[in-house]
Amino acid sequence: AQSVTQPDIHITVSEGASLELRCNYSYGATPYLFWYVQSPGQGLQLLLKYFSGDTLVQGIKGFEAEFKRSQSSFNLRKPSVHWSDAAEYFCAVGDREYGNKLVFGAGTILRVKS
Amino acid sequence: DGGITQSPKYLFRKEGQNVTLSCEQNLNHDAMYWYRQDPGQGLRLIYYSQIVNDFQKGDIAEGYSVSREKKESFPLTVTSAQKNPTAFYLCASSMEGARVETQYFGPGTRLLVL
Repeated sequence: AQSVTQPDIHITVSEGASLELRCNYSYGATPYLFWYVQSPGQGLQLLLKYFSGDTLVQGIKGFEAEFKRSQSSFNLRKPSVHWSDAAEYFCAVGDREYGNKLVFGAGTILRVKS
Repeated sequence: DGGITQSPKYLFRKEGQNVTLSCEQNLNHDAMYWYRQDPGQGLRLIYYSQIVNDFQKGDIAEGYSVSREKKESFPLTVTSAQKNPTAFYLCASSMEGARVETQYFGPGTRLLVL
């Protein structure tokens, strides 16, 4: 069955430091990849997505992600973290082979220390 | 403004009671989804609807029911058969259900058991 793994439950970084959140998936040949962010008690907001083309995608709030097919990964990065980036981040994967539904990882909680 | 609204923000259920969570969208999207979110488990799909008057079970449909009589509305009923209903419930929509699309989320409803 398809699965999405976010290996880090919690990550703490200092404000101004770089960030990388990991996402690995087990899926078919043509995954559609998403990163969402959730503030406490709120819905999810789309940060970025990859459907095809350039494997490095830019999103909102200065985030980017790189699709690496050979590693089945779609890691999220930001060069300089701001205190307002503290939130929970979810990786999600969809595939036409699995009915166009999205499967979500368990999430990574980001804490930012000043 | 286009978007997804969910009501109420908080809902309390007594033993043996059915409760209904509202989800409305004015994005003119065909597909709608209901997810359950528990700490550390990410989002799990309860039901989804790709078009009006049609819906399918997701991964954890037991104890829940839905209807899709109007394009803009997709209410979720948590029945008394759902023994552990305490969770955060998220509604989402996407333009089409026939292919993998970006899903847009509402602000969520937190259900608590008295």
